[in-house]
Amino acid sequence: AQSVTQLDSHVSVSEGTPVLLRCNYSSSYSPSLFWYVQHPNKGLQLLLKYTSAATLVKGINGFEAEFKKSETSFHLTKPSAHMSDAAEYFCVVSESIGNQGGKLIFGQGTELSVKP
Amino acid sequence: DARVTQTPRHKVTEMGQEVTMRCQPILGHNTVFWYRQTMMQGLELLAYFRNRAPLDDSGMPKDRFSAEMPDATLATLKIQPSEPRDSAVYFCASGFSQWASTDTQYFGPGTRLTVL
Repeated sequence: AQSVTQLDSHVSVSEGTPVLLRCNYSSSYSPSLFWYVQHPNKGLQLLLKYTSAATLVKGINGFEAEFKKSETSFHLTKPSAHMSDAAEYFCVVSESIGNQGGKLIFGQGTELSVKP
Repeated sequence: DARVTQTPRHKVTEMGQEVTMRCQPILGHNTVFWYRQTMMQGLELLAYFRNRAPLDDSGMPKDRFSAEMPDATLATLKIQPSEPRDSAVYFCASGFSQWASTDTQYFGPGTRLTVL
């Protein structure tokens, strides 16, 4: 069965410095991987997704993630944090159910704080 | 800009009362998911429909929860009777899935349920 582990429950950075949110996955085959962001009292918004095309995936708001099969990782990065990036970030792997398409398996989330 | 809509956005009720939450998926999507989010458990998948047929409701307490899709434009989640431990934010998400592929899930804004 697929699973995902977010290695940090909370990350704090200063505005203008790089962001790194770590995620490792477990999958018996080539997975689909996603990062979602949730701002306070809001729903989840897709940041980016990987579906076996390019290993470096670019998303919205300057975020990107690199799929590394050898390390079973899918870390999320951004070169320069902005105050508006403060939110909860979820790493997600899909799990196929036979030929019925997939359901998502969510990590526990990483809360990103951005200091002025 | 197509969005998943959920009603009501907030619901406060007393223990023992019936609660009905509604979701309108994005037009053309054939999969609908219900999630529950709490501080303690994070995001949990409750139920999953494809082409209006329930595929997986193993995450749902069967004795009090029920999920249906009366038509392609409406999904409902009912709790009867409600209990204080049901207090959470309930999210609906929709997507398009063919065979074993996994497409992106688009989340609604959520229904914040408080059971007193």
